[in-house]
Amino acid sequence: DAGVIQSPRHEVTEMGQEVTLRCKPISGHNSLFWYRQTMMRGLELLIYFNNNVPIDDSGMPEDRFSAKMPNASFSTLKIQPSEPRDSAVYFCASSFLGGGGNTIYFGEGSWLTVV
Amino acid sequence: AQSVTQLGSHVSVSEGALVLLRCNYSSSVPPYLFWYVQYPNQGLQLLLKYTSAATLVKGINGFEAEFKKSETSFHLTKPSAHMSDAAEYFCAVSEGNTGFQKLVFGTGTRLLVSP
Repeated sequence: DAGVIQSPRHEVTEMGQEVTLRCKPISGHNSLFWYRQTMMRGLELLIYFNNNVPIDDSGMPEDRFSAKMPNASFSTLKIQPSEPRDSAVYFCASSFLGGGGNTIYFGEGSWLTVV
Repeated sequence: AQSVTQLGSHVSVSEGALVLLRCNYSSSVPPYLFWYVQYPNQGLQLLLKYTSAATLVKGINGFEAEFKKSETSFHLTKPSAHMSDAAEYFCAVSEGNTGFQKLVFGTGTRLLVSP
C-alpha cells in the first residue's frame, strides 16, 4: 500500500514567494495532520482535519499560513508570502479515527528553504 | 495540557549494549503513548504504542517500552543495540478519552551507536 505522499520533497524559494505543499493521505484514512519540524521548536502540530473539516488550527503560526482539504484524498498547506523563518520540514500525516490510540502515519516530508 | 519530556537530547551506546531512552508524560486523563523513530532525511515511523492494554509493549526492531503510571513514565529499551538503530527517537502522547486524536511530541533523543 502507498503511504502518505507529499510533494514537493524539496523546495527552495525566495522570500515573498508563495509556497504550496501538497499531501495525499492513505486511502481510507479520515484524519489528516500537518506538522512542522525545526531544530529550535521540534515537531509542532499546525492543523488537523477530520472528514475534510478543520478541527484545530491553533498551531498555525499566522495568517500567512493556510490549509485546505477539498476532498478525502488531497490537502494543501500554503504559505503566502514566505519568509526565511518558515524554513523547516513540513510533514503531512494521516490516520483512521475509529477509537483512541490510532496510529498516525507520516509522509517523508517537504523540506522547505526560504532564502 | 498534555506533554512529554524526553531526558537527554543525545544518548551514546556501544553496539551490543542496552539502549534506554527516557520519556515522562503529563496528562490529566489516561494517556495513549507512542514512540516514533526518524532516520535521516525520512519521516517518522511508529515503533510501538500503549493504548491501556498491557503495560509492557513490544514494538518493531526489538524495542519495547513499559508504561508506569506511578512514575508517569514510558521509557524505551532494547537489550542489544545495532548500528542500524542510530536515529532520532520521539515520544508522544495523546489524550485517551477524547474524540479526536492530537499527538504532542517530545523534543527527541538522538541515539548514537558506536562499533
